[in-house]
Amino acid sequence: GAVVSQHPSWVICKSGTSVKIECRSLDFQATTMFWYRQFPKQSLMLMATSNEGSKATYEQGVEKDKFLINHASLTLSTLTVTSAHPEDSSFYICSARGDTETQYFGPGTRLLVL
Amino acid sequence: DAKTTQPPSMDCAEGRAANLPCNHSTISGNEYVYWYRQIHSQGPQYIIHGLKNNETNEMASLIITEDRKSSTLILPHATLRDTAVYYCIVGEGTGGGADGLTFGKGTHLIIQP
Repeated sequence: GAVVSQHPSWVICKSGTSVKIECRSLDFQATTMFWYRQFPKQSLMLMATSNEGSKATYEQGVEKDKFLINHASLTLSTLTVTSAHPEDSSFYICSARGDTETQYFGPGTRLLVL
Repeated sequence: DAKTTQPPSMDCAEGRAANLPCNHSTISGNEYVYWYRQIHSQGPQYIIHGLKNNETNEMASLIITEDRKSSTLILPHATLRDTAVYYCIVGEGTGGGADGLTFGKGTHLIIQP
């Protein structure tokens, strides 16, 4: 149980385009989902927290107009990187939490912006 | 900043028990201790968590000191596939809010054949 999936697993895009990443909880309802980012040789950094049906809360330094988060259902959250630039290239990881204390992580999405 | 301190790296022989320490001296009463691991290029994998009591599951055991200021993750029979970065994280459960987890640098555990 407690499986979280992400799609796509990797994506390459041109600078200036937008990229959407999906995060799904497959076997539980996720009242809260989180988005993290990990640069090479660094640890995960929390970007934002989203609760189903409400606006996401962004961490300091994360631009909400650039990283659009939608959590429209209890099993799906999406992160859209708008007008992506090479510095947005990173490993994006979501996690989901239901009615327990535990967050379960997705496998991650590797984004390369050319 | 992360609220935990872990050694940056550890070696362990295959088949032996791997004991990973973690200090969390500023942990508050409603914070849990979580352990995750990350194998290269993958998302973190949940291992175990606890509040006050020691915990055991099919993957590992978690020993929390009585004052809750430190804990040890025990992998009873380490295999090569246990090579990963192990993160010890303190955080509130559902009752304490909806905060994300703060990852430190973790311990890079290397299992030697």
